[in-house]
Amino acid sequence: GDQVEQSPSALSLHEGTGSALRCNFTTTMRAVQWFRKNSRGSLINLFYLASGTKENGRLKSAFDSKERYSTLHIRDAQLEDSGTYFCAAEGYNQGKLIFGQGTKLSIKP
Amino acid sequence: GALVYQYPRRTICKSGTSMRMECQAVGFQATSVAWYRQSPQKTFELIALSTVNSAIKYEQNFTQEKFPISHPNLSFSSMTVLNAYLEDRGLYLCGAREGTGTGQLYFGEGSKLTVL
Repeated sequence: GDQVEQSPSALSLHEGTGSALRCNFTTTMRAVQWFRKNSRGSLINLFYLASGTKENGRLKSAFDSKERYSTLHIRDAQLEDSGTYFCAAEGYNQGKLIFGQGTKLSIKP
Repeated sequence: GALVYQYPRRTICKSGTSMRMECQAVGFQATSVAWYRQSPQKTFELIALSTVNSAIKYEQNFTQEKFPISHPNLSFSSMTVLNAYLEDRGLYLCGAREGTGTGQLYFGEGSKLTVL
């Protein structure tokens, strides 16, 4: 079936630095969503993209349906950015959202 | 803005009993509702996708007999875990969107099920 491979599974950054998370898809996807799971367990919506790139503060996301991947860039990381980040790709089959395995991000002072 | 409320937040139930969870959409019309489960150490598995006035579609390994879902209107859905056992524990999430087939899903905070 359709799969979403998310990497890395864990990432440690020092405050003020940045990095990128990536999701690869085994098939063409219609759109992608990125979430952060907060300390209460809630999935916070970060981005929804059907194409191109979006930016919100220190976060930027890109989605390339043809090349079958999406990225989430974090710059100037802050302690409150810690948490588990998930990508989820929307297939063409009734809009099913398929989740990646998650990236546990730790920000160190 | 679009919000999804889910309750109860946590339930502890005895093995073999059932647990019902509810999902309320506020600020938009929840034409489609997707129920997911995140088991310990796993990612989110889709249980079923429900669209108002259409049949509910269950994923492989999940059945209506075990996870009956109700989606009676554009703001509410419920799902019951019947005859819960240890393997059913986890965080159950509902995600709702306007329209069918595509669009951003808004998630509730989840209902955590612990089975004793």
